Amino acid sequence: GAVVSQHPSWVICKSGTSVKIECRSLDFQATTMFWYRQFPKQSLMLMATSNEGSKATYEQGVEKDKFLINHASLTLSTLTVTSAHPEDSSFYICSALDRGRYNEQFFGPGTRLTVL
Amino acid sequence: DQQVKQNSPSLSVQEGRISILNCDYTNSMFDYFLWYKKYPAEGPTFLISISSIKDKNEDGRFTVFLNKSAKHLSLHIVPSQPGDSAVYFCAQGGSNYKLTFGKGTLLTVNP
Repeated sequence: GAVVSQHPSWVICKSGTSVKIECRSLDFQATTMFWYRQFPKQSLMLMATSNEGSKATYEQGVEKDKFLINHASLTLSTLTVTSAHPEDSSFYICSALDRGRYNEQFFGPGTRLTVL
Repeated sequence: DQQVKQNSPSLSVQEGRISILNCDYTNSMFDYFLWYKKYPAEGPTFLISISSIKDKNEDGRFTVFLNKSAKHLSLHIVPSQPGDSAVYFCAQGGSNYKLTFGKGTLLTVNP
């Protein structure tokens, strides 16, 4: 299957700082990527849809000014958690839509964010 | 309220036996259903899917059954292997490709 990478795989930061997470599709172009968040023993919750060349669309209840998404190229989307707080600590996972493979979604390995 | 429910947080089976993972949903307005497998600290990997117009899809050891009247989905793995031990998520998908996931079921296959 197609490969999606995320960087960093884990990050620890102080409260109030901003953290950027990258999601890359390594062997295909992805005009659409998705960002999910997973709390322990919970389901993956869709946060937003990242569209190349246009603004991201956010799910209800997700603050767009806190979770900044940029999809600057066909292979890269970034999620920036601004002014992070301990309650933002979670596992963030991205997925990329491969339109050449019947629109199958391929997931990245995830990023573990811990805010102290 | 969760749209996709996996009521069993865990399941343990013996190697060689059948594993049956269940999923219930509330919203019928989705085009397809999927099962994903996830190992710790990794992203989900696609396992098998089924269109909402079908009631069964089979791929090797994996079979997914869809009962639309009961709004119930199940994944059968037979024979189960120790390497199948992982968390299994069911998900619903629509025309916008957004996925709604259940909470997952941890499957342990004992040798």
